[in-house]
Amino acid sequence: KAGVTQTPRYLIKTRGQQVTLSCSPISGHRSVSWYQQTPGQGLQFLFEYFSETQRNKGNFPGRFSGRQFSNSRSEMNVSTLELGDSALYLCASSAYPGPSDTQYFGPGTRLTVL
Amino acid sequence: GIQVEQSPPDLILQEGANSTLRCNFSDSVNNLQWFHQNPWGQLINLFYIPSGTKQNGRLSATTVATERYSLLYISSSQTTDSGVYFCAVAGGTSYGKLTFGQGTILTVHP
Repeated sequence: KAGVTQTPRYLIKTRGQQVTLSCSPISGHRSVSWYQQTPGQGLQFLFEYFSETQRNKGNFPGRFSGRQFSNSRSEMNVSTLELGDSALYLCASSAYPGPSDTQYFGPGTRLTVL
Repeated sequence: GIQVEQSPPDLILQEGANSTLRCNFSDSVNNLQWFHQNPWGQLINLFYIPSGTKQNGRLSATTVATERYSLLYISSSQTTDSGVYFCAVAGGTSYGKLTFGQGTILTVHP
């Protein structure tokens, strides 16, 4: 089975722009979670989607949003980019909706905001 | 929310040495995973271990849920073991939300 894929792998944007990141889960997985990794804050949970519904959300401003499509693929969007949004964005998928299920991570999208 | 503390923050070893990484968590969990982050940023699953003991080659892990800690053992370390090791947990109905520790940076010298 192919793993979790994320596109693009690298992005450079300027302050004020917006960006959309894409995540394709492992085939058959229906839950997708997003995380932000920065040197200062570590790995932080952004949100989780299951069956096109956001079930859980982390403590991030409304500029961060996401959605999930009927094929379980997910996108996240960051509007009005700030320098502090520079980070590695990781997506993870799991097969079942429970919190106890194993999460598998993609390679990440490295976003640089200038 | 659940707090996760990992120790030590940094670990430097010679090839062939053994090591133990620790993860303490503040509340009961129904998910605990150990990951190795490679230099390119990918998180590689090592263990799903909310309780009990598991072994995979030179790596093994033990979680004592009642005492709220987990240990990752690396035996006969190799330079390819270098990287950052993360413990992540989830509890209650925290759908899709893993809370990560700050990681242990492991450097193995030849």
